[in-house]
Amino acid sequence: QVQLVQSGAEVKKPGASVKVSCKASGYTFTGYYMHWVRQAPGQGLEWMGRINPNSGGTNYAQKFQGRVTMTRDTSISTAYMELSRLRSDDTAVYYCARAVPPLGYCSSTSCYDIDYWGQGTLVTVSS
Amino acid sequence: DIQLTQSPSFLSASVGDRVTITCRASQGISSYLAWYQQKPGKAPKLLIYAASTLQSGVPSRFSGSGSGTEFTLTISSLQPEDFATYYCQQLAGFGPGTKVDIK
Repeated sequence: QVQLVQSGAEVKKPGASVKVSCKASGYTFTGYYMHWVRQAPGQGLEWMGRINPNSGGTNYAQKFQGRVTMTRDTSISTAYMELSRLRSDDTAVYYCARAVPPLGYCSSTSCYDIDYWGQGTLVTVSS
Repeated sequence: DIQLTQSPSFLSASVGDRVTITCRASQGISSYLAWYQQKPGKAPKLLIYAASTLQSGVPSRFSGSGSGTEFTLTISSLQPEDFATYYCQQLAGFGPGTKVDIK
Protein backbone atom coordinates (compact mmCIF):
# COMPACT_ATOMS: atom_id res chain seq x y z
CA GLN A 1 0.00 0.00 0.00
CA VAL A 2 1.11 3.55 -0.68
CA GLN A 3 2.74 5.22 2.32
CA LEU A 4 4.42 8.58 2.75
CA VAL A 5 6.30 8.84 6.04
CA GLN A 6 7.62 12.25 7.03
CA SER A 7 10.33 13.29 9.44
CA GLY A 8 9.52 14.47 12.91
CA ALA A 9 8.53 17.82 14.35
CA GLU A 10 11.04 20.66 14.31
CA VAL A 11 11.53 23.81 16.35
CA LYS A 12 13.55 26.53 14.66
CA LYS A 13 14.55 30.10 15.37
CA PRO A 14 13.66 32.93 13.01
CA GLY A 15 16.15 33.18 10.17
CA ALA A 16 17.09 29.50 10.30
CA SER A 17 16.30 26.80 7.72
CA VAL A 18 14.37 23.57 8.01
CA LYS A 19 14.53 20.44 5.86
CA VAL A 20 11.64 17.98 5.96
CA SER A 21 11.92 14.51 4.48
CA CYS A 22 9.23 12.28 3.01
CA LYS A 23 9.93 8.60 2.41
CA ALA A 24 7.66 6.92 -0.11
CA SER A 25 6.83 3.25 -0.32
CA GLY A 26 4.29 1.00 -2.01
CA TYR A 27 4.60 2.52 -5.47
CA THR A 28 7.18 3.58 -8.03
CA PHE A 29 8.62 6.77 -6.51
CA THR A 30 9.80 8.14 -9.85
CA GLY A 31 6.39 7.64 -11.43
CA TYR A 32 4.40 10.42 -9.77
CA TYR A 33 4.80 14.09 -8.89
CA MET A 34 5.38 14.83 -5.21
CA HIS A 35 3.79 18.02 -3.88
CA TRP A 36 4.31 19.97 -0.67
CA VAL A 37 1.37 21.67 1.03
CA ARG A 38 1.36 23.48 4.34
CA GLN A 39 -1.31 24.42 6.86
CA ALA A 40 -0.83 27.05 9.53
CA PRO A 41 -2.63 26.47 12.84
CA GLY A 42 -6.38 26.87 12.36
CA GLN A 43 -5.90 27.94 8.75
CA GLY A 44 -6.46 26.51 5.28
CA LEU A 45 -4.25 24.60 2.88
CA GLU A 46 -1.45 26.35 1.01
CA TRP A 47 0.32 24.81 -1.99
CA MET A 48 4.08 25.31 -1.92
CA GLY A 49 5.32 23.47 -4.97
CA ARG A 50 5.99 20.13 -6.58
CA ILE A 51 8.88 18.03 -7.80
CA ASN A 52 9.10 15.53 -10.61
CA PRO A 53 11.05 12.74 -8.87
CA ASN A 54 12.12 11.31 -12.22
CA SER A 55 13.78 14.43 -13.64
CA GLY A 56 14.19 16.52 -10.50
CA GLY A 57 12.30 19.35 -12.16
CA THR A 58 10.40 21.65 -9.83
CA ASN A 59 7.55 24.15 -9.85
CA TYR A 60 7.30 26.50 -6.89
CA ALA A 61 4.52 28.82 -5.77
CA GLN A 62 5.54 32.39 -6.42
CA LYS A 63 5.20 33.18 -2.72
CA PHE A 64 8.02 30.78 -1.86
CA GLN A 65 10.36 31.39 -4.80
CA GLY A 66 13.87 31.98 -3.50
CA ARG A 67 13.13 30.45 -0.09
CA VAL A 68 12.08 26.89 -0.88
CA THR A 69 14.08 24.07 -2.42
CA MET A 70 12.59 20.69 -3.26
CA THR A 71 14.90 17.79 -3.97
CA ARG A 72 14.77 14.03 -4.04
CA ASP A 73 16.98 10.97 -3.62
CA THR A 74 15.67 8.26 -5.90
CA SER A 75 17.97 5.62 -4.36
CA ILE A 76 15.98 5.78 -1.13
CA SER A 77 12.62 6.97 -2.55
CA THR A 78 12.71 10.10 -0.47
CA ALA A 79 11.68 13.66 -1.23
CA TYR A 80 12.87 16.71 0.68
CA MET A 81 11.56 20.22 1.20
CA GLU A 82 13.88 22.87 2.59
CA LEU A 83 12.56 26.28 3.61
CA SER A 84 15.04 29.00 4.48
CA ARG A 85 14.94 32.36 6.25
CA LEU A 86 12.15 31.13 8.49
CA ARG A 87 9.69 33.56 10.04
CA SER A 88 7.12 33.08 12.77
CA ASP A 89 4.36 32.90 10.17
CA ASP A 90 6.03 29.81 8.68
CA THR A 91 4.83 27.89 11.73
CA ALA A 92 2.64 25.20 10.18
CA VAL A 93 2.14 21.54 9.48
CA TYR A 94 3.97 20.64 6.28
CA TYR A 95 2.63 17.77 4.18
CA CYS A 96 4.19 15.86 1.33
CA ALA A 97 1.61 14.45 -1.03
CA ARG A 98 1.54 12.27 -4.14
CA ALA A 99 -0.37 13.55 -7.16
CA VAL A 100 -2.17 11.65 -9.87
CA PRO A 101 -2.22 10.63 -12.65
CA PRO A 102 1.24 9.11 -13.29
CA LEU A 103 3.93 11.32 -14.79
CA GLY A 104 3.44 9.98 -18.29
CA TYR A 105 0.02 11.64 -18.38
CA CYS A 106 1.08 14.97 -16.93
CA SER A 107 1.30 18.45 -18.39
CA SER A 108 1.79 21.90 -16.93
CA THR A 109 -1.93 22.02 -16.13
CA SER A 110 -2.39 18.55 -14.72
CA CYS A 111 -1.14 16.23 -11.99
CA TYR A 112 -2.22 18.37 -9.09
CA ASP A 113 -4.93 16.04 -7.71
CA ILE A 114 -3.50 14.54 -4.52
CA ASP A 115 -4.46 10.98 -3.65
CA TYR A 116 -2.00 10.21 -0.83
CA TRP A 117 -0.68 12.45 1.91
CA GLY A 118 2.07 12.12 4.48
CA GLN A 119 1.20 12.36 8.14
CA GLY A 120 2.44 15.94 8.32
CA THR A 121 5.42 17.54 10.04
CA LEU A 122 4.89 20.38 12.49
CA VAL A 123 7.47 23.12 12.09
CA THR A 124 7.44 25.70 14.85
CA VAL A 125 9.36 28.94 14.36
CA SER A 126 9.94 30.76 17.60
CA SER A 127 12.64 32.79 19.23
CA ASP B 1 -3.28 34.00 -10.33
CA ILE B 2 -6.70 32.40 -10.19
CA GLN B 3 -8.49 32.98 -6.90
CA LEU B 4 -10.96 30.48 -5.45
CA THR B 5 -13.77 31.38 -3.11
CA GLN B 6 -16.08 29.01 -1.27
CA SER B 7 -19.54 29.51 0.10
CA PRO B 8 -20.67 29.20 2.71
CA SER B 9 -17.64 29.43 4.97
CA PHE B 10 -19.53 27.57 7.64
CA LEU B 11 -22.72 25.59 7.66
CA SER B 12 -24.63 23.82 10.35
CA ALA B 13 -26.60 20.76 9.26
CA SER B 14 -28.27 17.65 10.59
CA VAL B 15 -27.70 14.00 9.78
CA GLY B 16 -29.69 13.15 6.66
CA ASP B 17 -29.61 16.70 5.26
CA ARG B 18 -28.64 17.43 1.67
CA VAL B 19 -25.66 19.76 1.69
CA THR B 20 -24.25 21.83 -1.15
CA ILE B 21 -20.96 23.72 -1.11
CA THR B 22 -20.01 26.11 -3.90
CA CYS B 23 -16.55 26.96 -5.20
CA ARG B 24 -16.09 29.90 -7.55
CA ALA B 25 -13.00 30.69 -9.59
CA SER B 26 -11.96 34.19 -10.58
CA GLN B 27 -11.58 33.02 -14.17
CA GLY B 28 -12.58 29.98 -16.16
CA ILE B 29 -10.67 26.84 -15.26
CA SER B 30 -12.40 24.24 -17.45
CA SER B 31 -12.93 21.15 -15.27
CA TYR B 32 -9.65 21.29 -13.34
CA LEU B 33 -11.21 21.14 -9.91
CA ALA B 34 -10.86 18.76 -6.98
CA TRP B 35 -12.60 18.51 -3.61
CA TYR B 36 -11.04 17.35 -0.34
CA GLN B 37 -12.39 16.53 3.09
CA GLN B 38 -10.29 17.22 6.16
CA LYS B 39 -10.98 16.21 9.73
CA PRO B 40 -9.18 17.80 12.71
CA GLY B 41 -5.61 16.63 13.10
CA LYS B 42 -5.72 14.60 9.89
CA ALA B 43 -4.43 15.03 6.36
CA PRO B 44 -6.98 15.92 3.69
CA LYS B 45 -8.71 13.17 1.73
CA LEU B 46 -9.46 13.40 -1.99
CA LEU B 47 -13.19 13.09 -2.71
CA ILE B 48 -13.71 14.35 -6.27
CA TYR B 49 -11.36 15.20 -9.15
CA ALA B 50 -11.91 16.61 -12.61
CA ALA B 51 -14.93 18.41 -11.12
CA SER B 52 -17.22 15.37 -11.08
CA THR B 53 -15.23 12.13 -10.91
CA LEU B 54 -15.58 10.27 -7.63
CA GLN B 55 -12.29 9.06 -6.18
CA SER B 56 -12.14 5.31 -5.62
CA GLY B 57 -13.54 4.28 -2.25
CA VAL B 58 -15.49 7.49 -1.66
CA PRO B 59 -19.19 6.95 -0.88
CA SER B 60 -21.62 7.71 -3.67
CA ARG B 61 -23.48 10.26 -1.52
CA PHE B 62 -20.70 12.66 -2.54
CA SER B 63 -20.97 14.21 -5.98
CA GLY B 64 -19.44 17.11 -7.84
CA SER B 65 -20.55 19.22 -10.74
CA GLY B 66 -19.75 22.39 -12.63
CA SER B 67 -17.30 23.79 -15.11
CA GLY B 68 -15.76 27.12 -15.98
CA THR B 69 -16.05 29.33 -12.90
CA GLU B 70 -18.68 27.68 -10.69
CA PHE B 71 -18.51 24.26 -9.09
CA THR B 72 -20.50 22.45 -6.44
CA LEU B 73 -19.91 19.61 -4.02
CA THR B 74 -23.09 17.90 -2.89
CA ILE B 75 -23.55 15.45 -0.05
CA SER B 76 -26.93 13.84 -0.71
CA SER B 77 -27.57 12.62 2.84
CA LEU B 78 -25.18 13.86 5.49
CA GLN B 79 -23.73 11.15 7.72
CA PRO B 80 -22.08 11.59 11.14
CA GLU B 81 -18.63 10.95 9.66
CA ASP B 82 -19.09 13.76 7.12
CA PHE B 83 -18.74 16.56 9.66
CA ALA B 84 -15.45 18.09 8.55
CA THR B 85 -13.92 20.93 6.57
CA TYR B 86 -14.13 20.78 2.79
CA TYR B 87 -11.67 22.43 0.40
CA CYS B 88 -11.78 22.91 -3.34
CA GLN B 89 -8.54 22.94 -5.30
CA GLN B 90 -7.68 24.17 -8.74
CA LEU B 91 -4.19 23.20 -9.80
CA ALA B 92 -1.83 25.11 -7.48
CA GLY B 93 -4.49 26.83 -5.38
CA PHE B 94 -6.92 25.87 -2.65
CA GLY B 95 -10.16 27.50 -1.63
CA PRO B 96 -10.46 28.85 1.92
CA GLY B 97 -12.57 25.93 3.13
CA THR B 98 -16.12 25.24 4.31
CA LYS B 99 -16.64 23.84 7.77
CA VAL B 100 -19.64 21.54 8.12
CA ASP B 101 -20.81 21.30 11.70
CA ILE B 102 -23.55 19.49 13.53
CA LYS B 103 -26.77 21.41 14.06
